[in-house]
Amino acid sequence: EAGVTQFPSHSVIEKGQTVTLRCDPISGHDNLYWYRRVMGKEIKFLLHFVKESKQDESGMPNNRFLAERTGGTYSTLKVQPAELEDSGVYFCASNSLAPRAGEVDEQYFGPGTRLTVT
Amino acid sequence: GDSVTQMEGPVTLSEEAFLTINCTYTATGYPSLFWYVQYPGEGLQLLLKATKADDKGSNKGFEATYRKETTSFHLEKGSVQVSDSAVYFCALRLSGGYQKVTFGTGTKLQVIP
Repeated sequence: EAGVTQFPSHSVIEKGQTVTLRCDPISGHDNLYWYRRVMGKEIKFLLHFVKESKQDESGMPNNRFLAERTGGTYSTLKVQPAELEDSGVYFCASNSLAPRAGEVDEQYFGPGTRLTVT
Repeated sequence: GDSVTQMEGPVTLSEEAFLTINCTYTATGYPSLFWYVQYPGEGLQLLLKATKADDKGSNKGFEATYRKETTSFHLEKGSVQVSDSAVYFCALRLSGGYQKVTFGTGTKLQVIP
């Protein structure tokens, strides 16, 4: 069973450009979360999808960030236009409230996308 | 709001030394507590967890006990190995698997031979 995957692993863009990060959750997981770690600080929650609906987007920093999850499968997080303070590692996580055998209901995290804005 | 405070790093230890990484929390309600680990070049992995007071989570020789009276969840290991070098995050989550996870700042551990 594949884990949570994220693409790209690393992105370097200039200030003002647009970047789109992608997250593929574990198959069958209705819940999908985005988090980010900025400049070695704590990992902070951004938002939570249940299937294709945004359940909680209280952590989204501003309207330059747009998250989508069309069809309730993979999700994208677009930053437009990117600013220097957006640099950091963006993590995606998923879980199911009805875990299969061998799973738990805890959130499974992906490897993260390292975003560098210059 | 909910928060997690963990000791600053980096922490450098010799192989076979005893490890303690302190973690305290503030939360409304009764959270579940976690330690996550990020090895170099890899994603976050759940290391251990405890869901109620006095529970002890353990995995790979690491242990942490949920202390409600001191609102703490310190991570310990009796004898660290070079392969334990990683960043360790203390975290909490309120009841319900759909709740967001609140993390500490992370503590980088380097174990030298």
